[in-house]
Amino acid sequence: LAKTTQPISMDSYEGQEVNITCSHNNIATNDYITWYQQFPSQGPRFIIQGYKTKVTNEVASLFIPADRKSSTLSLPRVSLSDTAVYYCLVAQKYNNNDMRFGAGTRLTVKP
Amino acid sequence: DTGVSQDPRHKITKRGQNVTFRCDPISEHNRLYWYRQTLGQGPEFLTYFQNEAQLEKSRLLSDRFSAERPKGSFSTLEIQRTEQGDSAMYLCASSEWTGGSPLHFGNGTRLTVT
Repeated sequence: LAKTTQPISMDSYEGQEVNITCSHNNIATNDYITWYQQFPSQGPRFIIQGYKTKVTNEVASLFIPADRKSSTLSLPRVSLSDTAVYYCLVAQKYNNNDMRFGAGTRLTVKP
Repeated sequence: DTGVSQDPRHKITKRGQNVTFRCDPISEHNRLYWYRQTLGQGPEFLTYFQNEAQLEKSRLLSDRFSAERPKGSFSTLEIQRTEQGDSAMYLCASSEWTGGSPLHFGNGTRLTVT
């Protein structure tokens, strides 16, 4: 299973765009990349998933370069309610029975 | 979609007692996962079911821990002879059977062992 590396913490201000990068140098051909968000006393919540290039939904965008050794979660115009821990997971495309989380990135949005 | 529900939300027990937690996954989801999370850490994988079959167990799941998923529906996680180190949030998640399906988490059971 590809190991992931993320910054431990990040600070931002309301209205700014936030980019959180995850490194996964040993990603395999069949691996996909998934990001989750977690608030205190809640379970993680799925944000976005991708395999290559760019994926966008109503919440975020995910940028994956051609070599797929990293990925960047982009949150447009963050608000105070986006303060949370963000996790990057890499798992096999055809077998997600081994979904292991790292320590995540603690994002703090300031007014 | 009523989401994943876990019961109880909080449990306080004395060291040495047994505790059991329940997870009700999203009804059409075949896969069910248990995780443990301590303060400031990411969720740690404990075990995983495909329908009623327990397919993988982490080394973290000592012989005091047992999980079941009878009939492939709800699941229970039992901890026998609890220790203070068992204090944590226990999270349950479910997903569809297809590879790559995202996990849907419940809000967990917070266990405190005194």
